[in-house]
Amino acid sequence: GAVVSQHPSRVICKSGTSVKIECRSLDFQATTMFWYRQFPKQSLMLMATSNEGSKATYEQGVEKDKFLINHASLTLSTLTVASAHPEDSSFYICSAKEGAQSEAFFGQGTRLTVV
Amino acid sequence: AQSVAQPEDQVNVAEGNPLTVKCTYSVSGNPYLFWYVQYPNRGLQFLLKYITGDNLVKGSYGFEAEFNKSQTSFHLKKPSALVSDSALYFCAVRGTRGGGNKLTFGTGTQLKVEL
Repeated sequence: GAVVSQHPSRVICKSGTSVKIECRSLDFQATTMFWYRQFPKQSLMLMATSNEGSKATYEQGVEKDKFLINHASLTLSTLTVASAHPEDSSFYICSAKEGAQSEAFFGQGTRLTVV
Repeated sequence: AQSVAQPEDQVNVAEGNPLTVKCTYSVSGNPYLFWYVQYPNRGLQFLLKYITGDNLVKGSYGFEAEFNKSQTSFHLKKPSALVSDSALYFCAVRGTRGGGNKLTFGTGTQLKVEL
């Protein structure tokens, strides 16, 4: 299957700093990428959908000024958590898909801990 | 709005026995249905999908799922469970009418296979 690489897998940062998470599709062109947040023992919560070259579409309740998404190319999307606070600590997962009927392939996730 | 229900938080099964993880869905239009597996602190791995065609779909690692339109179900099955199958399983759906590219996930079912 297709490979999606997410980096870093784990990051610890101080409160007030910003953190960037990268999501790359390694062997296909991802027309659409998705960013999810997963709380312990819970399902994935979709944060935003991004299409290459256009602004991300955020889900209701997700602060676009806090969770900055850039999808500059067909193989790379980034999520920047701006001025992170302890409540932003979570597991963040990206996924990418190639076409309308394609399944989504997921990155390995990033464990963010804000201290 | 589309939704997925996974009625069991946890399923326990003895190694070598058949396993079933249940999933029902609600969408507008025809459903695209997916099963994913998640190991601790990892992203989701794709197992199988139903788009159209045969109701019985075969996927990775010996898993299969049966699409039942009248019951709006897409239960995941495996004839003989392995201890290594122990993980968190997510069912997901996307409708062909409305909802865009968004996948909606169930709450997940923890599968525990014991010797």
